[in-house]
Amino acid sequence: DGGITQSPKYLFRKEGQNVTLSCEQNLNHDAMYWYRQDPGQGLRLIYYSQIVNDFQKGDIAEGYSVSREKKESFPLTVTSAQKNPTAFYLCASTSRNEKLFFGSGTQLSVL
Amino acid sequence: EDQVTQSPEALRLQEGESSSLNCSYTVSGLRGLFWYRQDPGKGPEFLFTLYSAGEEKEKERLKATLTKKESFLHITAPKPEDSATYLCAVQGGRDDKIIFGKGTRLHILP
Repeated sequence: DGGITQSPKYLFRKEGQNVTLSCEQNLNHDAMYWYRQDPGQGLRLIYYSQIVNDFQKGDIAEGYSVSREKKESFPLTVTSAQKNPTAFYLCASTSRNEKLFFGSGTQLSVL
Repeated sequence: EDQVTQSPEALRLQEGESSSLNCSYTVSGLRGLFWYRQDPGKGPEFLFTLYSAGEEKEKERLKATLTKKESFLHITAPKPEDSATYLCAVQGGRDDKIIFGKGTRLHILP
């Protein structure tokens, strides 16, 4: 089955620690996105990538980093510089002008 | 600045009571407007894509329409299982990125 897979489903971060959220897709999509969702809020764009080895900052990129070494993979690192990381993180992919396909999300919490 | 604004923030309806959700947008060079449904703790589920003013799409009790400034999601005779958050997004602008509104939380009472 084609789709987009996020892991883990739940993740806990200790203070000062960097954590990495995985996002893999087998839809052959060029573009991939990372969004953050806080309770009762919409989706805010963190980073996006339209081709391999290239990515752009979204509206709330501070404290996050990404890489796009392979078309299928777009991991997100939440660094220790992100002081309020608790949120629901959603990864998505799309072909040009088509709908976004979403993963099932990762809930990140701070210990 | 590209922007998407959804209203109302929350809406409570009785089962069978029809209504509409609004999505107002400002973007240069709209490439597409999307509607999604999201249940708690899950990723958004695609509903519709609209590309040009005047376009309409329907799926069961839902109908989406588009003008040059806004889109409406009409829900006819809703059922409790239609309760969810409905998200609107637009793609376009100089960077061609996809941005979302804050959503409308819809609650249908039996």
